[in-house]
Amino acid sequence: AQSVTQPDIHITVSEGASLELRCNYSYGATPYLFWYVQSPGQGLQLLLKYFSGDTLVQGIKGFEAEFKRSQSSFNLRKPSVHWSDAAEYFCAVGSGGSYIPTFGRGTSLIVHP
Amino acid sequence: NAGVTQTPKFQVLKTGQSMTLQCAQDMNHEYMSWYRQDPGMGLRLIHYSVGAGITDQGEVPNGYNVSRSTTEDFPLRLLSAAPSQTSVYFCASSTGLGGGETQYFGPGTRLLVL
Repeated sequence: AQSVTQPDIHITVSEGASLELRCNYSYGATPYLFWYVQSPGQGLQLLLKYFSGDTLVQGIKGFEAEFKRSQSSFNLRKPSVHWSDAAEYFCAVGSGGSYIPTFGRGTSLIVHP
Repeated sequence: NAGVTQTPKFQVLKTGQSMTLQCAQDMNHEYMSWYRQDPGMGLRLIHYSVGAGITDQGEVPNGYNVSRSTTEDFPLRLLSAAPSQTSVYFCASSTGLGGGETQYFGPGTRLLVL
């Protein structure tokens, strides 16, 4: 069975600082990996996804994520955070054998001015 | 395209009341699903559908019913609301049925059961 862990419930950063949100997954083969963002009062929106190939994936809003098979990780990064990035971030893992991805519990990003 | 729409946005129910949360999508997606979001629990799958007339249970199906008579609509019914069903409910759709498909989410319905 697939599973995903987001170790950090909350992350606080200053505006302009760099950001890294952690995601670890459990799955035997190469997984499908996703990052979604949920702005306050909104539904989830896809930031980026990894299927295969280049392990560094570029997404929207200046975000990127790197798939590291040896560490079973898919961490999300942004070089300079903006106040509008304050949101809830969800990592998800899927596989060819399932209909649907499994979501992590989310990481809440707080941005200080 | 409006994408995935959900109504109502907010609802307050008394214990034992019934209601239907509406979900519609105009992207001709075969796959639709319902999630609930609770603090510290992330998203948990309630029910999903792989096409009109076909539904199945997710992780937390108890207390909820669904049906899928058309490709566009996927309502979620609470037959007898309980305080434990206080949550934010999200409907999602996707183009395909595999674990690699992008999910498109609606804006959510906030439900309070007193």
